[in-house]
Amino acid sequence: AQSVAQPEDQVNVAEGNPLTVKCTYSVSGNPYLFWYVQYPNRGLQFLLKYITGDNLVKGSYGFEAEFNKSQTSFHLKKPSALVSDSALYFCAVRRTGRRALTFGSGTRLQVQP
Amino acid sequence: AAGVIQSPRHLIKEKRETATLKCYPIPRHDTVYWYQQGPGQDPQFLISFYEKMQSDKGSIPDRFSAQQFSDYHSELNMSSLELGDSALYFCASSPPGTGNTGELFFGEGSRLTVL
Repeated sequence: AQSVAQPEDQVNVAEGNPLTVKCTYSVSGNPYLFWYVQYPNRGLQFLLKYITGDNLVKGSYGFEAEFNKSQTSFHLKKPSALVSDSALYFCAVRRTGRRALTFGSGTRLQVQP
Repeated sequence: AAGVIQSPRHLIKEKRETATLKCYPIPRHDTVYWYQQGPGQDPQFLISFYEKMQSDKGSIPDRFSAQQFSDYHSELNMSSLELGDSALYFCASSPPGTGNTGELFFGEGSRLTVL
């Protein structure tokens, strides 16, 4: 089945350090990949997407993601983490022929002061 | 900017009761999606509507139904509620012309608790 996987349930990083939240995908054809963030008891907020073009995609709040076709990965990155970045992060894919998004299991990011 | 509006934000029901959730998409968005997120789970796609017609179906139980009205708002009807239906229910919308490349815009969710 076409999907995404987030191998880490939780990522801990110190404030000011770079952060990476991992995502791998399994789709046929060209993948349409997305990252969303969810704060407690809130809706999902769109961060960025990869459709085509440059492998490095820049998004909201200083986040970026690198699309790697050979490794089938779409890792979320930020050069310097903030305590306020602590939240739940979801990678998502749009399957062929479907407009709805399929989400990964989520990764909880904890940024320590 | 206008966002997706969901009501009610919180709802408490007893087992076997019915519940209705409402969603008002962003103006001029033509597609509405419903997702269910259980505690500690990822959002699961239930159903979507495009121009008031059902466009896709996910893991929506037979006890649930949904529709999109002429003003594009959507309602999710849930009957014979079970304890396992306790979850956050999200509505999302997307604008016309974005096809497969556009992102979804999510509401704040409706939290259903079944006792």
